[in-house]
Amino acid sequence: QVQLKESGPGLVQPSQTLSLTCTVSGFSLTSYSVHWVRQHSGKSLEWMGRMWSDGDTSYNSAFTSRLSISRDTSKSQVFLKMNSLQTEDTGTYYCTMGISLAYWGQGTLVTVSS
Amino acid sequence: DVVLTQTPPTLSATIGQSVSISCRSSQSLLDSDGDTYLNWLLQRPGQSPQLLIYSVSNLESGVPNRFSGSGSETDFTLKISGVEAEDLGVYYCMQATHAPYTFGAGTKLELK
Repeated sequence: QVQLKESGPGLVQPSQTLSLTCTVSGFSLTSYSVHWVRQHSGKSLEWMGRMWSDGDTSYNSAFTSRLSISRDTSKSQVFLKMNSLQTEDTGTYYCTMGISLAYWGQGTLVTVSS
Repeated sequence: DVVLTQTPPTLSATIGQSVSISCRSSQSLLDSDGDTYLNWLLQRPGQSPQLLIYSVSNLESGVPNRFSGSGSETDFTLKISGVEAEDLGVYYCMQATHAPYTFGAGTKLELK
């Protein structure tokens, strides 16, 4: 069955770079897109960007200058890198798949603090 | 960016009651390909969001048929025909017609 799992550091210092990994199973990255979505505590959801099935990427302009999404198809992994983190980047980060966001990972909580 | 306005922000219901949630878009969600990419998600407490309905009215596999979606262009509705305890949580509409994807602020469904 389709599964996605986010992993990464729970704590990041301000001004540092966040690196997250989404490991997927049950589908091929060359057939479906994978997206990253952020949620501040108690708040709504914010779409960050996506890795298309053909390897192309698209980003929310709110993050364009500091966000990068890449993948390793041999490992079924999609990566998020975001630099210049600030305290307002604290939140839960999800990866999710397909145009309809049909399947979601469990999310990983990232806290930006010194 | 497309703004999705959900009402009401909070909904109190008894078990068995039918309820509706509205989602209004700041621009038409009808895509040039003829589809309308308006979805509904449910986030139960402490869980990840779950897709309920895609493209306005299509029930995701495994979702009970007490959930239904309707609407067009800029006005959309999610209806739950007979709330059950497992339906409690926050409902979000989201659009995938225009980049970037955007989400409504959410409607919290509580037990009365």
